Amino acid sequence: NAGVTQTPKFRILKIGQSMTLQCTQDMNHNYMYWYRQDPGMGLKLIYYSVGAGITDKGEVPNGYNVSRSTTEDFPLRLELAAPSQTSVYFCASSSGLAGDTWNTGELFFGEGSRLTVL
Amino acid sequence: GNSVTQMEGPVTLSEEAFLTINCTYTATGYPSLFWYVQYPGEGLQLLLKATKADDKGSNKGFEATYRKETTSFHLEKGSVQVSDSAVYFCARRGSARQLTFGSGTQLTVLP
Repeated sequence: NAGVTQTPKFRILKIGQSMTLQCTQDMNHNYMYWYRQDPGMGLKLIYYSVGAGITDKGEVPNGYNVSRSTTEDFPLRLELAAPSQTSVYFCASSSGLAGDTWNTGELFFGEGSRLTVL
Repeated sequence: GNSVTQMEGPVTLSEEAFLTINCTYTATGYPSLFWYVQYPGEGLQLLLKATKADDKGSNKGFEATYRKETTSFHLEKGSVQVSDSAVYFCARRGSARQLTFGSGTQLTVLP
């Protein structure tokens, strides 16, 4: 079972560069999320999507963009990298199928992408 | 808004010691509550969950009881092992099925 797959696992960027973190899931989940994890700060929600073509801002969206053209993929774009974006990024997904009343909202996480901006 | 307050770490215990990690949440409705565990270099994994008041979630010897009256979901284990060393996150469900996480508690178990 692949689950949630993120690439790359590690990346170093220079200030002002752009990049895309890729995320794909094979569980046919409608809901997908991007979180960032800073030391001692827990996880902060960046963006989320409730289905293909629908995205919304989370708690810390500034400096990021997302798109959701398919159910499987939810890439996160950094346009002008800044040192404050140095973090570990996690993609996650959750089932949101109609009639899915048994689901309690469990999130399935990828292994994370460690980004350093110098 | 939704928030989760978690006992700050780090916590260091000897093997076979009793573990408690405190967690409280804001009382907006009756959200599902979760404990996630993160082992070094890995993503978060669900440890246990509870969906309504007085529910007890349990897994791998860990337990947590959903206490509506104290808005708490404390994590406990009677006898920790070295392999339990990890970061533990308490979380509550919010809108759009997103989760709000606590700040995490680093647990180190010494042999």
